[in-house]
Amino acid sequence: AQSVTQPDIHITVSEGASLELRCNYSYGATPYLFWYVQSPGQGLQLLLKYFSGDTLVQGIKGFEAEFKRSQSSFNLRKPSVHWSDAAEYFCAVVIDNTGGFKTIFGAGTRLFVKA
Amino acid sequence: KAGVTQTPRYLIKTRGQQVTLSCSPISGHRSVSWYQQTPGQGLQFLFEYFSETQRNKGNFPGRFSGRQFSNSRSEMNVSTLELGDSALYLCASSSQGLHTEAFFGQGTRLTVV
Repeated sequence: AQSVTQPDIHITVSEGASLELRCNYSYGATPYLFWYVQSPGQGLQLLLKYFSGDTLVQGIKGFEAEFKRSQSSFNLRKPSVHWSDAAEYFCAVVIDNTGGFKTIFGAGTRLFVKA
Repeated sequence: KAGVTQTPRYLIKTRGQQVTLSCSPISGHRSVSWYQQTPGQGLQFLFEYFSETQRNKGNFPGRFSGRQFSNSRSEMNVSTLELGDSALYLCASSSQGLHTEAFFGQGTRLTVV
């Protein structure tokens, strides 16, 4: 069955430190890959997406992600975290499902930023 | 360009009642998808509508239904509400479908008592 795994439920980093959030998926082909961020009480905002081509994609707010086909991973990175990055981050895949598409989200990783 | 608008923002209903949630997508977007977010189950895909047709659905009981109108506005209905239906319901719109960039609304917080 298709699935998305975000192994870290919580991560705490110091402001200014680097960040990597992990995401692995299980799907027979290459899915469409997304990272979203959600602030408390808000909807989701798209950070970046991968459809094809260059496996390193740049997103908003200084985030980037690298698609590694051999590892079925799409990890999110940021070189220097800001306090405003504290939020919940969701990895998502969109798969082709019998003529339509459906979205599968990971469980999310909540990021805490220490001053 | 206005974003995705969901109404109402908050709702309290009693077990056994039914509820209708509304989503107005970004102008020009033809795809609207719905998600349920709970602390226990996370974000789960409910269904997607494109040009008034349901293209795909997740694994939810038949009590959850939806529709899309000719102006792309969508409604989601939950009948015979259960306590476990308490959740944040999110709607997202995109121009062509889920495989393109989706824009989310702020959600409707439904509490079933």
